[in-house]
This record gives sequence, structure tokens and C-alpha cells, in this order.
Amino acid sequence: DGGITQSPKYLFRKEGQNVTLSCEQNLNHDAMYWYRQDPGQGLRLIYYSQIVNDFQKGDIAEGYSVSREKKESFPLTVTSAQKNPTAFYLCASTPGQTYEQYFGPGTRLTVT
Amino acid sequence: GQQVMQIPQYQHVQEGEDFTTYCNSSTTLSNIQWYKQRPGGHPVFLIQLVKSGEVKKQKRLTFQFGEAKKNSSLHITATQTTDVGTYFCAANYGGATNKLIFGTGTLLAVQP
Repeated sequence: DGGITQSPKYLFRKEGQNVTLSCEQNLNHDAMYWYRQDPGQGLRLIYYSQIVNDFQKGDIAEGYSVSREKKESFPLTVTSAQKNPTAFYLCASTPGQTYEQYFGPGTRLTVT
Repeated sequence: GQQVMQIPQYQHVQEGEDFTTYCNSSTTLSNIQWYKQRPGGHPVFLIQLVKSGEVKKQKRLTFQFGEAKKNSSLHITATQTTDVGTYFCAANYGGATNKLIFGTGTLLAVQP
């Protein structure tokens, strides 16, 4: 089956710890994105990557870091510098030729 | 930064009633997309509108793009309980990055 996988579905961490969220796609898409969703709100762009070994900051990149060493993978690290990390994190990809974005199932991160 | 206003935030209808959500941008869009997110799920692409004044239909759903390409609407005729979820518009302002600016979404509740 082709698609985007995110793991884990639920993640719990203590304050002060860095945590890495996984995002893998086998759709052969060039571009990948990370969004954050808070309750009752829309999606806000954290980072995006249009090609391997290249990525750009989105609207709310502070406290986050990413890497894009492989086309299929775009992990997101939530660092201890992120002041309010508890949220629903969504990864998406797009073929590049069209603009439709395909989303993974999301990871719900809770930091206490 | 660029913002997309979406109204209403919440709508509760009786099954069989119609529903409309609206998106507005202060600047001209390249195109606009619509996504649906079921409770506890991830956004799923519904449609993309590109041309000024464009109207597209998907069964009971009608999507419109304004003549000035600054606003869009999604209308559902005769809602069903399966229509429950949050509907997001996502604006693309053009350029090479394919970044989307998501509206805050409209949560639709349908009472049987």
C-alpha cells in the first residue's frame, strides 16, 4: 500500500526532553511538510522540504528541527526550546507537479 | 503574513439541511484547496480550484472560487451524518514553494 506513515500515534514526554517524530512516505513524492494543529485551530506550517538535503522554515519553526537525508523520510525533532509542544503533529507530502497534499495519520504529542 | 479567514467556526445542522462554509483572503490567490478532517483523523484532500469564477461539484458538495480569486465557498446540500467533520480551505499564493495557508476550519455537526 502506498501512503504516509507516522509513528507513534501517541507520544508522551517529560518537559526538557527532545523528541523525534517519524514520517515516512513511499509515494515517491519530492516535497514533504510538517504541520502543527492545536484544538479548534487550523494547520500551521513548521518546516517543509522540496528536495532531499534541503528544507526551509515555515511559519512556526522555533523550537523544532528537521532533516531530509532520504526522499522517503522527513523526521521532526521537537526540542526542549519549544515552549508549548503539546499538539497534534501532521506530516504531508506532495508530488510536486500538482499541489494536492497527502497527509499521514498524525502523532499526538503530550509533554508534561 | 498572509492569512485566510474562514467562517463560521462551528455549525450545527439537522440532517437534511444545507451547510456552507466561506473562506476569504485579502490578497489574490493562485489557487485554493479544500480538505475534510473527520474527528480524530487527518485532513483529506477534496478539491482544488484554480480559475476565476470556477465552480466544481462532487455529488452533494459544490465548491466555488470567486471572480477576484480572493474568496471561496463549500456548500453541502442535504447534509448526512457522514458529512460530520472539520472542513478546511487552504490557500496557495503562488511561487515555487507550494506552501499552503490553512484557514481555521469549520466544524460541522449533523444531528440525525
